[in-house]
Amino acid sequence: GQQVQQSPASLVLQEGENAELQCSFSISTNQVQWFYQRPGGRLIGLSYIPGMKPTGKQTSSTVTKGRHSSLTISSSQTTDSGTYFCVLNNNAGAKLTFGGGTRLTVRP
Amino acid sequence: GALVYQYPRRTICKSGTSMRMECQAVGFQATSVAWYRQSPQKTFELIALSTVNSAIKYEQNFTQEKFPISHPNLSFSSMTVLNAYLEDRGLYLCGARDQTSNSDYTFGSGTRLLVI
Repeated sequence: GQQVQQSPASLVLQEGENAELQCSFSISTNQVQWFYQRPGGRLIGLSYIPGMKPTGKQTSSTVTKGRHSSLTISSSQTTDSGTYFCVLNNNAGAKLTFGGGTRLTVRP
Repeated sequence: GALVYQYPRRTICKSGTSMRMECQAVGFQATSVAWYRQSPQKTFELIALSTVNSAIKYEQNFTQEKFPISHPNLSFSSMTVLNAYLEDRGLYLCGARDQTSNSDYTFGSGTRLLVI
């Protein structure tokens, strides 16, 4: 089946630094969503349209092209700590496939 | 806006017993509901995808006998973990979407299951 690979698996930033999270898939698509999971579990959608500024988190942006997507976090804050998931949408079956996630820690 | 309420948020059950979790969609028609499990230190695995008026499709390694799902209308779905054991612990997540409008999934807050 389709596969979603994320890198890095974990990342530590100092507050204010930028980061780019990577995602690659086994098929070419633009049906990609990024989600943020707070420590404790709740998933929050970060982006729904490739390249557009996501709602609820104005310091990040996504770019999706071919078999690759990236999420850029700018001017990181400690509240950005958590796990970021890249999710591939199989539009035909409305099935989401989650990547392994990138665990981000932002230190003050 | 579209919201999905999932409950309970946390639950503990004894090994060998069963527990049920529910999801309520508000503000949109949940024509499709997907149930996921996130085991400790792992990503989300799809358990099954349910579409109203269609058969529920279970992924490999997940069965109806273990995870029976009900999706009786466009706003509600439930899933039961039968005969739960230690390997069933984790975060269970429901996601719902309106397939007719090709909307994105909206996720509930998850049900964290601890088996003792």
